Amino acid sequence: NAGVTQTPKFRILKIGQSMTLQCTQDMNHNYMYWYRQDPGMGLKLIYYSVGAGITDKGEVPNGYNVSRSTTEDFPLRLELAAPSQTSVYFCASMVREAGELFFGEGSRLTVL
Amino acid sequence: GQNIDQPTEMTATEGAIVQINCTYQTSGFNGLFWYQQHAGEAPTFLSYNVLDGLEEKGRFSSFLSRSKGYSYLLLKELQMKDSASYLCAVKDSNYQLIWGAGTKLIIKP
Repeated sequence: NAGVTQTPKFRILKIGQSMTLQCTQDMNHNYMYWYRQDPGMGLKLIYYSVGAGITDKGEVPNGYNVSRSTTEDFPLRLELAAPSQTSVYFCASMVREAGELFFGEGSRLTVL
Repeated sequence: GQNIDQPTEMTATEGAIVQINCTYQTSGFNGLFWYQQHAGEAPTFLSYNVLDGLEEKGRFSSFLSRSKGYSYLLLKELQMKDSASYLCAVKDSNYQLIWGAGTKLIIKP
């Protein structure tokens, strides 16, 4: 089992560029999440999904978009990158509402 | 608003015991989690408490008091590899996880 796989692990963007962070899980989990983690701060929820075709905003959704066309994939799209989006991004999944979260390895994004 | 408080940083000695506290104020409660996060890595699950009391798992134990909005993580026989950040998270009434900022634990020989 690969678990939760995120790509890329590192990326540098210029202001105004767009990119997609990929996330795939092979555990057949219904619930998937995107978090960002800034230095010294807790995890902030960007978007989440409770199943294919269903997505919802979290605490800090501005500047991001997601889609969930399959159970396995939950990509995160940054349309117009801004320096404030410099962060480490984690994708996570869980099998049910009361379960534990399984995290991907993280994607470190720098916007210059 | 919803809030999770934990100390920013703690220092302990190898072989000793350390207790990391977490207090929370959330809209509802559906469980409290502790995660360990080594620098530059993803968080990994340590423990889950939904009922009051102590849950023991090897060198790590976690305690919960729902009436006090309080939990602690107890680490015994500290090892150098326990140097990490420890994240407290609470599931609210909507089953959303609210995260604390984490406690950076430094272990000294």
